[in-house]
Amino acid sequence: DAGVIQSPRHEVTEMGQEVTLRCKPISGHDYLFWYRQTMMRGLELLIYFNNNVPIDDSGMPEDRFSAKMPNASFSTLKIQPSEPRDSAVYFCASSDGMGRFTSGGGRDTQYFGPGTRLTVL
Amino acid sequence: RKEVEQDPGPFNVPEGATVAFNCTYSNSASQSFFWYRQDCRKEPKLLMSVYSSGNEDGRFTAQLNRASQYISLLIRDSKLSDSATYLCVVPISGGYNKLIFGAGTRLAVHP
Repeated sequence: DAGVIQSPRHEVTEMGQEVTLRCKPISGHDYLFWYRQTMMRGLELLIYFNNNVPIDDSGMPEDRFSAKMPNASFSTLKIQPSEPRDSAVYFCASSDGMGRFTSGGGRDTQYFGPGTRLTVL
Repeated sequence: RKEVEQDPGPFNVPEGATVAFNCTYSNSASQSFFWYRQDCRKEPKLLMSVYSSGNEDGRFTAQLNRASQYISLLIRDSKLSDSATYLCVVPISGGYNKLIFGAGTRLAVHP
């Protein structure tokens, strides 16, 4: 089975440009998460969706960031305008969890994509 | 106090050694916990889940101490392939899907 797919894998852009990151979750998963990872702040949850609906966007840093999920198989994270401090690795993750814990790490496990390494000059 | 705290390491150990990492969390209402592994420049992957007092999977043992609010990960008979960063993960109370990741503990296993 294909895992979570993200594109592009690397993005280098200049300050002020619009950046769009893309994610395809694992088929059948109804939760999708966007994370950002930096050396200073570690791995942070930005926003997550359930059945294509944004549930919690409290981690989105500011209005320059927006995320959409037009259908069950596609999501985007957009930064407009980009700034050098946005440079990070952005991960997308998906799960089929329903909020129940399983000790074996089964259906509630979050599966991460390979990430997009963003550099804003 | 940070929501999830880990010793950043690095832990440098020889092959075959036993190594343990600790993680403390601030939310006493958290019910389930996870250890993720992240290799250099790769994505995090689930290593183990912890719900009750502990969980064991081969060379890996995770233990939970609710009274002291800490979780530990024990790796026995370390292999070179165990070299990675180990992330302690705690769900925010009331919402399993919101995970708080620790900064990670780096492990380097040498020959």
